[in-house]
Amino acid sequence: EAQVTQNPRYLITVTGKKLTVTCSQNMNHEYMSWYRQDPGLGLRQIYYSMNVEVTDKGDVPEGYKVSRKEKRNFPLILESPSPNQTSLYFCASSFGQGRYEQYFGPGTRLTVT
Amino acid sequence: DQQVKQNSPSLSVQEGRISILNCDYTNSMFDYFLWYKKYPAEGPTFLISISSIKDKNEDGRFTVFLNKSAKHLSLHIVPSQPGDSAVYFCAASPWGAGSYQLTFGKGTKLSVIP
Repeated sequence: EAQVTQNPRYLITVTGKKLTVTCSQNMNHEYMSWYRQDPGLGLRQIYYSMNVEVTDKGDVPEGYKVSRKEKRNFPLILESPSPNQTSLYFCASSFGQGRYEQYFGPGTRLTVT
Repeated sequence: DQQVKQNSPSLSVQEGRISILNCDYTNSMFDYFLWYKKYPAEGPTFLISISSIKDKNEDGRFTVFLNKSAKHLSLHIVPSQPGDSAVYFCAASPWGAGSYQLTFGKGTKLSVIP
């Protein structure tokens, strides 16, 4: 089954404790992206990657890091999480190069206390 | 500055009637528009899209209309069904950017009443 998976689905952590949210896709997509969804703000792009070893900032990159060492994986790293990073996070992937439709993972609910 | 606006946070419609969800944009460089549907506890799923060279695209019960001069698009669902109850996001992409730069609206929550 073609899908985007994220782990963990739920995470409660404390300020300053480094964490990683994993994202993996099995569709051989070139493009991957991370979004956060907050009440009243919709979906905002954090980082995106057009291919292996190619990443770029989205609209709200502060406090986040990403890496793309393999085509299928695109982890989101919070080196020192803060309460304002409490949010619902989505990973997405697509073929890129004129293929606009993105496939989203199920989401990761992160709470930073 | 919000480039994609969905001014109605919520909409209630009777089952069998038409649902019309609206979206406005400000960036003249946007040339491809998409609608996504999101159920609680799930990721958004692609619904329908339209290129700026068209003014209408239809897929079953779903039709998207684009008015470039007004920078406005709308999603029509006919007839509405209870299973259509979800949050709908409008998204836009500038020319040449492909899927790299999707800008989303804040979403409209549609409730279809049986």
